[in-house]
Amino acid sequence: DVKVTQSSRYLVKRTGEKVFLECVQDMDHENMFWYRQDPGLGLRLIYFSYDVKMKEKGDIPEGYSVSREKKERFSLILESASTNQTSMYLCASSFPGGLEGNTIYFGEGSWLTVV
Amino acid sequence: QKEVEQDPGPLSVPEGAIVSLNCTYSNSAFQYFMWYRQYSRKGPELLMYTYSSGNKEDGRFTAQVDKSSKYISLFIRDSQPSDSATYLCAMRDGAGSYQLTFGKGTKLSVIP
Repeated sequence: DVKVTQSSRYLVKRTGEKVFLECVQDMDHENMFWYRQDPGLGLRLIYFSYDVKMKEKGDIPEGYSVSREKKERFSLILESASTNQTSMYLCASSFPGGLEGNTIYFGEGSWLTVV
Repeated sequence: QKEVEQDPGPLSVPEGAIVSLNCTYSNSAFQYFMWYRQYSRKGPELLMYTYSSGNKEDGRFTAQVDKSSKYISLFIRDSQPSDSATYLCAMRDGAGSYQLTFGKGTKLSVIP
């Protein structure tokens, strides 16, 4: 079974802290994604990466950065956490294009509360 | 106009009912259509996907795509309490694209 693992399920951080959310996938997928999900707003793409060290901004990249040093690992970084970044963060991965690219696999989610 | 519209519900049905979940979209380039199921406090999991127009059946689930109307549906027969979840539609355009456009999800409750 494909597995996308988000290391932290529940975090509470203080305003201004630097926050790292880690994600690892075990399917040798080229593509990896970070979304945030908020009630009434649905899933919004923050960043995605289609290869090691490659990244592209999604719809809401402000206040976030990412790192992909290895194919299986994609990290989301909140440089200075703010209360409006309290949300559920979802990591996902997929093969590139083609029919397999339809199958985006999601992790279990990381619930971040910024106080 | 939003690219993908999905009624947020909530939708509440008795056990055994047939459930119909729907999405409309505006981008005629969309060719691949998916349904994800998301249980509370979990990540979405892929339920079904279809290419272009037509029907696809998997057990109690049927996905239907009508590209001429830009309308997709998911039918659940003999609904069970375990079907209680949020259902997200998702779609993308041709083979070169790897980004999905999601609906906001419909919350379904199946009452025993």
